Amino acid sequence: GAGVSQTPSNKVTEKGKYVELRCDPISGHTALYWYRQSLGQGPEFLIYFQGTGAADDSGLPNDRFFAVRPEGSVSTLKIQRTERGDSAVYLCASSPAAGGGETQYFGPGTRLLVL
Amino acid sequence: GENVEQHPSTLSVQEGDSAVIKCTYSDSASNYFPWYKQELGKRPQLIIDIRSNVGEKKDQRIAVTLNKTAKHFSLHITETQPEDSAVYFCAASKGGTYKYIFGTGTRLKVLA
Repeated sequence: GAGVSQTPSNKVTEKGKYVELRCDPISGHTALYWYRQSLGQGPEFLIYFQGTGAADDSGLPNDRFFAVRPEGSVSTLKIQRTERGDSAVYLCASSPAAGGGETQYFGPGTRLLVL
Repeated sequence: GENVEQHPSTLSVQEGDSAVIKCTYSDSASNYFPWYKQELGKRPQLIIDIRSNVGEKKDQRIAVTLNKTAKHFSLHITETQPEDSAVYFCAASKGGTYKYIFGTGTRLKVLA
């Protein structure tokens, strides 16, 4: 079946602008995760949804970052007043159920460049 | 805080040789340890995982070992091939938080 998809694949924006990044999880997966991967680093956790609610948003770096999942499927990561330091690859992952031990399946990522 | 250290950062081996990548985790409550392979510009792909109730798991040329007492786990790739060249990430997870803590990655180069 179809894997996790993310759009856009690349996004170039100017400092101070607002961006939205979209994630379509694998159908039926209730858990959805956002990670950020800087060049040469491992993915860094941002936020996790179980269904429609954010179960853990401890990784969001500040209040410029916000994510929603209104119908328990597609999720949007929103970044306000972008800064150059926000440039990274934003990865989305989904898993069938909550709980440690469930494999997370990753999307191809959105490469964000803030000029 | 939660931390996963991964070594080495780069590893070059001759085709046919073995490669070993080691990770150490800090949170003793971690109970699930996946390994991901990431090729340049591509998504991370799970290659093998291990749960804390077993000490070793093998899948063809790939194996993972876990030492809970020492809080470290390792990836072993035997009979390496050029297509094994990629960046490998280890991760640790504990029940209840659902997030993965990733290591910093190992760039493996298999020389033909």
